[in-house]
Amino acid sequence: DTGVSQNPRHKITKRGQNVTFRCDPISEHNRLYWYRQTLGQGPEFLTYFQNEAQLEKSRLLSDRFSAERPKGSFSTLEIQRTEQGDSAMYLCASSLYQNTEAFFGQGTRLTVV
Amino acid sequence: GENVEQHPSTLSVQEGDSAVIKCTYSDSASNYFPWYKQELGKGPQLIIDIRSNVGEKKDQRIAVTLNKTAKHFSLHITETQPEDSAVYFCAAVTFSGAGSYQLTFGKGTKLSVIP
Repeated sequence: DTGVSQNPRHKITKRGQNVTFRCDPISEHNRLYWYRQTLGQGPEFLTYFQNEAQLEKSRLLSDRFSAERPKGSFSTLEIQRTEQGDSAMYLCASSLYQNTEAFFGQGTRLTVV
Repeated sequence: GENVEQHPSTLSVQEGDSAVIKCTYSDSASNYFPWYKQELGKGPQLIIDIRSNVGEKKDQRIAVTLNKTAKHFSLHITETQPEDSAVYFCAAVTFSGAGSYQLTFGKGTKLSVIP
């Protein structure tokens, strides 16, 4: 499968715990994006990388959230001190540099209890 | 920032009929408009897109139209089939001179095709 891969698919965690998600983009894609989707809503932009550089962050990305993309390949999204309001689907997408089509992964569904 | 409105929020059609979903956007600088289909438990899948220099694009049973003056774009699905049932999202993309790129999504339309 050469699509965008996200792990884990599901994560249940207790409030206050830290969680980390991983995204493996399509191999030749330079750009990588993180989105959050809550029930009944469209995906909301969180942040994006061009290669290893994090170029833009949404105001939705509080200081409890951090994203990295070491070496410009896979990316991780960490949420510290999780809150119930963090429960959502976290989506990763990638696209070619100077190309606009963004392809999404299956997402990681986070439930904070 | 960009704001995308999508209507209707739910749509039921008989198999074989056509379905139309409409979106409006606010930022005149937006120049790329993709449509995504999302099935339950899955990520959004790109089904068709249109750029600002084109007024219409068609791919088999799916077509998109764009009216830049009115800032609205539409998705048309003809000869609907039960497997078309899903949530459809429109999106608008604005590129800045610094290379910034952001997809802004509508809230989605749940399409149900009744056999």
